[in-house]
Amino acid sequence: EPEVTQTPSHQVTQMGQEVILRCVPISNHLYFYWYRQILGQKVEFLVSFYNNEISEKSEIFDDQFSVERPDGSNFTLKIRSTKLEDSAMYFCASSAGQPQHFGDGTRLSIL
Amino acid sequence: EDQVTQSPEALRLQEGESSSLNCSYTVSGLRGLFWYRQDPGKGPEFLFTLYSAGEEKEKERLKATLTKKESFLHITAPKPEDSATYLCAVEKGGSEKLVFGKGTKLTVNP
Repeated sequence: EPEVTQTPSHQVTQMGQEVILRCVPISNHLYFYWYRQILGQKVEFLVSFYNNEISEKSEIFDDQFSVERPDGSNFTLKIRSTKLEDSAMYFCASSAGQPQHFGDGTRLSIL
Repeated sequence: EDQVTQSPEALRLQEGESSSLNCSYTVSGLRGLFWYRQDPGKGPEFLFTLYSAGEEKEKERLKATLTKKESFLHITAPKPEDSATYLCAVEKGGSEKLVFGKGTKLTVNP
């Protein structure tokens, strides 16, 4: 069964450094998403992306965040200058409309 | 503000002991309600979509139902492999984001 794949599974970064999280969505999907889950809290929406542009974003998704689909298969989330509070699990999801299918996440640890 | 509340937060069952998980929601213009299963260290795994009050979906030992204010996930004769956190999420018309509840952590003892 096709699945969303995310790399790396765990990323450790110094505060203030840039980090890029990578995702390969399911091949025939056209809608892409990023969510995050801080330990012990709800899964929270960050951004949705369709037709090479952001279609919706949350208040969390400020100027420090950006997304890109650099080629026909990858979808990336960049955090320009990481803060301690960015430590969380980051999930990528994709869909052909509904439902959204999730990857297994990248655990981001900011030191 | 759209809200999703799940109860209980945690539930322990003996193998074969049936029960139900609750998801209550307040959202204007519900487009869909989704149930996901999440295993430790993994991403949410899609289970069901419900669109309108009265709708029911079934898969193996799981059955999801929907009313205008809440959804139930019924687990019949659970097995230890059903142990996981079950997440409820809603999507409203005009938006693409899922709004999640905190989940119910289910433990099924053999």
